[in-house]
Amino acid sequence: QQQVKQSPQSLIVQKGGISIINCAYENTAFDYFPWYQQFPGKGPALLIAIRPDVSEKKEGRFTISFNKSAKQFSLHIMDSQPGDSATYFCAAGNQAGTALIFGKGTTLSVSS
Amino acid sequence: DVKVTQSSRYLVKRTGEKVFLECVQDMDHENMFWYRQDPGLGLRLIYFSYDVKMKEKGDIPEGYSVSREKKERFSLILESASTNQTSMYLCASSIKGSQPQHFGDGTRLSIL
Repeated sequence: QQQVKQSPQSLIVQKGGISIINCAYENTAFDYFPWYQQFPGKGPALLIAIRPDVSEKKEGRFTISFNKSAKQFSLHIMDSQPGDSATYFCAAGNQAGTALIFGKGTTLSVSS
Repeated sequence: DVKVTQSSRYLVKRTGEKVFLECVQDMDHENMFWYRQDPGLGLRLIYFSYDVKMKEKGDIPEGYSVSREKKERFSLILESASTNQTSMYLCASSIKGSQPQHFGDGTRLSIL
């Protein structure tokens, strides 16, 4: 199976709060799990990515948590800011550079 | 920084026309991809290419073809445009055998 299921579809968070977006994949051969951030009128830009040999990766306010046995991974945005308002996509694929399978996206709105 | 340039930001065409979407990358990447983005459906892979003159079908190739005559350029062709091909089209590139993919800012195509 090649699906990546992403939830929620939309999310509203207060400034300073924690935003959490979840994804689940089916293909155990996947070994590369990126998150992309997309602002209106722009293409998706890589935010952070993880490989299955670690359970967590943190870059600034953004953290990926990875659960290999459950085939799930999530993005946590700490101290969410209005500038984080964007659409976020999770994806899964292979480090060898094949095409990515994307989730359907989460629209995040951070209210001030 | 990697730059992926899509020749048109907005394009309006008529049903039945042959439509060309152009994508150029400046980082000598071997891999190039065409995705289609629709609200609630995320990004779906149309075609990808691992080398000049090489192409592989993605998840939704019907009604599309591609051309890669030079390494830096990957063209998406709608042979006979239909209204259900109205969408945002995103091009991406990556180094051979590696991630991540780098995206252009997209072409919003309307078929009337």
